[in-house]
Amino acid sequence: QKEVEQNSGPLSVPEGAIASLNCTYSDRVSQSFFWYRQYSGKSPELIMSIYSNGDKEDGRFTAQLNKASQYVSLLIRDSQPSDSATYLCAVNKNTGNQFYFGTGTSLTVIP
Amino acid sequence: EAGVVQSPRYKIIEKKQPVAFWCNPISGHNTLYWYLQNLGQGPELLIRYENEEAVDDSQLPKDRFSAERLKGVDSTLKIQPAELGDSAVYLCASGNLASNEQFFGPGTRLTVL
Repeated sequence: QKEVEQNSGPLSVPEGAIASLNCTYSDRVSQSFFWYRQYSGKSPELIMSIYSNGDKEDGRFTAQLNKASQYVSLLIRDSQPSDSATYLCAVNKNTGNQFYFGTGTSLTVIP
Repeated sequence: EAGVVQSPRYKIIEKKQPVAFWCNPISGHNTLYWYLQNLGQGPELLIRYENEEAVDDSQLPKDRFSAERLKGVDSTLKIQPAELGDSAVYLCASGNLASNEQFFGPGTRLTVL
């Protein structure tokens, strides 16, 4: 079983819509959760961190964490073509500061 | 604040040749990570440092890969000899233990012919 699982997509949404990206993790001891955005040919860029259950909002981005269900999601409101990228979910177990990455979900925002 | 610096950005070598990658982390960051990323995959950890100590190198193929982080700042990752399957992007990231966040450099794209 993989530590972090994401639907590889591709996910396509029209401009202005809400994009919903999902991620599940296998180890309940996981403590910190991150979303990275990776444009084609570029390195991952940290866009959201979340540490406790519930929602965390930052501009058009909202991260949601449900530790009981071992589920973390990223919502992108008012999606823009510039949001088209691969979104990587990462989990840190804290014990040993180990990061595990999903394979990423490819998002395309259609103008 | 300057980000993570990596060099070179691109490297093309023939198989069996040696290659080295260099990383300078964000100032003040005490953790440093080397990852390998293949197309369509997430980053896979090769080695993790806390200050100058390698605290997790379980995924580093030690027969051909080596790494060092002298003085707990810059780090070098070496492959000798390179194989065709080593073609990938090599990412360096740094962070600090307090925040648990990590930030990536631009990566080195290695092509082994």
